[in-house]
Amino acid sequence: QLQLQESGPGLVKPPETLSLTCTVSGGSISSSSSYWGWIRQPPGKGLEWIGSIYYSGSTYYNPSLKSRVTISVDTSKNQFSLKLSSVTAADTAVYYCAKTVPQIIAVAANWGQGTLVTVSS
Amino acid sequence: DIVMTQSPDSLAVSLGERATINCKSSQSVLYSSNNKNYLAWYQQKPGQPPKLLIYWASTRESGVPDRFSGSGSGTDFTLTISSLQAEDVAVYYCQQYYSTPLFTFGPGTKVDIK
Repeated sequence: QLQLQESGPGLVKPPETLSLTCTVSGGSISSSSSYWGWIRQPPGKGLEWIGSIYYSGSTYYNPSLKSRVTISVDTSKNQFSLKLSSVTAADTAVYYCAKTVPQIIAVAANWGQGTLVTVSS
Repeated sequence: DIVMTQSPDSLAVSLGERATINCKSSQSVLYSSNNKNYLAWYQQKPGQPPKLLIYWASTRESGVPDRFSGSGSGTDFTLTISSLQAEDVAVYYCQQYYSTPLFTFGPGTKVDIK
């Protein structure tokens, strides 16, 4: 059974860089035609797609975040990662990692439980 | 940018009754070359990640009960719960994935028991 688990600091100071890793178990990142994505949800608010990556390294970033976002994949560790630079309080959110429906860049079929990241000095 | 709107913001339905949620996109999400609508629906219960219910506007994800159905085309879409169960209390989101790489969600519709 596929499982995704986010990990990383729960508190980040502005204007530092937020770094999260998603570890995939029960399946290989490189064995399917799915993409791997990051989505966030500020407390009490709606969902925002941050970006997606294919195991080959192709990336798709939300234009509103593109200048600050890097998503990378490490197939040897079966992990993919998110870096968001120059964070502000507006980046406080639950961050989810997800596996997409095969061949669809941004429909999340399998989700991690999410991790709350608070941006505060 | 494609802006997604949902109506109503919330609704309360009696157990066993039908619940209908509407989603509208600011421009068409129907891709003419494959005649597919790039529209998905998710369910989110408190304290949980969202769960995919439907994609391609009407394709039910594996394991999703058949009381959930999606319909619509172009800019207007509907999620129907044919017979509301207690476990269906949640917030429901639509999402367009037509506009790469800006994939946007609706603001959500909260469903409660009357």
